[in-house]
This record gives sequence, C-alpha cells and structure tokens, in this order.
Amino acid sequence: DAEITQSPRHKITETGRQVTLACHQTWNHNNMFWYRQDLGHGLRLIHYSYGVHDTNKGEVSDGYSVSRSNTEDLPLTLESAASSQTSVYFCASSEGRGPSDTQYFGPGTRLTVL
Amino acid sequence: GQQLNQSPQSMFIQEGEDVSMNCTSSSIFNTWLWYKQDPGEGPVLLIALYKAGELTSNGRLTAQFGITRKDSFLNISASIPSDVGIYFCAGFMTTDSWGKLQFGAGTQVVVTP
Repeated sequence: DAEITQSPRHKITETGRQVTLACHQTWNHNNMFWYRQDLGHGLRLIHYSYGVHDTNKGEVSDGYSVSRSNTEDLPLTLESAASSQTSVYFCASSEGRGPSDTQYFGPGTRLTVL
Repeated sequence: GQQLNQSPQSMFIQEGEDVSMNCTSSSIFNTWLWYKQDPGEGPVLLIALYKAGELTSNGRLTAQFGITRKDSFLNISASIPSDVGIYFCAGFMTTDSWGKLQFGAGTQVVVTP
C-alpha cells in the first residue's frame, strides 16, 4: 500500500546543530508539505513543494530549508537548531494542489532542541 | 498570520452524547476542512466543504459551511470511545493555493464510558 513515512520519529539535539528530518511518500504525489504543530497554534506551514526542484516558503519558514531532488522525498533541514524549534513536525503530500485534493499526513517527528 | 478561532479547546463527554465544535475567522473562506488526529498520528481528513450553507455528513459526523463564509461547525452524534482525539478545522481563503491553508488550534475530545 502507498504511504507516507517520516524519520526519525523522535529526535533530541542541541542548540546550534544542523538537523535533517526525512519525509518519503510512495504515492508519486507531486505536492509535498512540511508543517509544525505547537500547543495553541494548530498546524503551521513551513515549506511546500509542487514538484521536483520546486520549493516555496510557508508561514513559518525562517530557520528551515527544503530541497526536492525527486518526487518521493522532501527532507526538512534546520540549519542551526534553536530551542524555539522544539515541536512536532508533520510531512504531508497530495496529488493535486487545490482544496479538493486530500492531503495525506505522515505520523510526525517529535523534535526536542536542548 | 491569520488564525482561526476554534472552540471549545477541550471537551469531556460521556459515551453516547453528541459533540459540537466550531471554528470562526475574521476573513471569508472558500473552503472549510475538518481533520481528526489520533494520539501519535498525523491528521486525517474527515469532511471537506466548498459552498456557503453546505451541510455534509460522514457517518456520525456532520459539518456545515456557515452562510457568512466566516465559520464552520462539526457535530459528532452518539459518541463512542474511538472518537477520542483532536479535531482541527482548516480553511482556504483562495481556491488554488495550499500555501494559504489556515488551521485552528484544535478541540481535544475525551470520551468517558
């Protein structure tokens, strides 16, 4: 069955370190997204991609970067981790880019920055 | 950025009771979505609404797109233990950009036997 996976599921790192969170989907979806989830804020969009080599900034992109070298993967990199980036991170993908195209979410990565 | 106001923040209900939650915005939305998140999982889409006044059901769940286009409601009838989770509303101000999808903060639902 097609799916979307994230790794690692849990990560503890130190302030200033570079961290990369992986997202892999087997639906062959063109569109992929990264969100962070914090108490009281719901889900906020970090970056999104509409296809290979395409990336776009979301609402809270500062301190994060993504690159899309193939259809299946959209890794999220924290260039220099900060305590404010402690959060749960969700990756999602969709076939189309409109509101009628369901976004499928991964299980999430819980990141703690000490 | 724009934030949706979702209420209540949490609900403790007994099995068999009905649940109601709502989401409001100061801006007009063209699409309203309702998601459920189980513990340790990602959100799953429950219902999508595309027209003002639209009423859509998915099993025991019913959602409505408010006629002002600034609010939406979700009702769960005859709750069961597996209804436990966090319910999120989300909305689009435009019809063609996922970059403008806004999420509410969520309603935590706890069902007691």
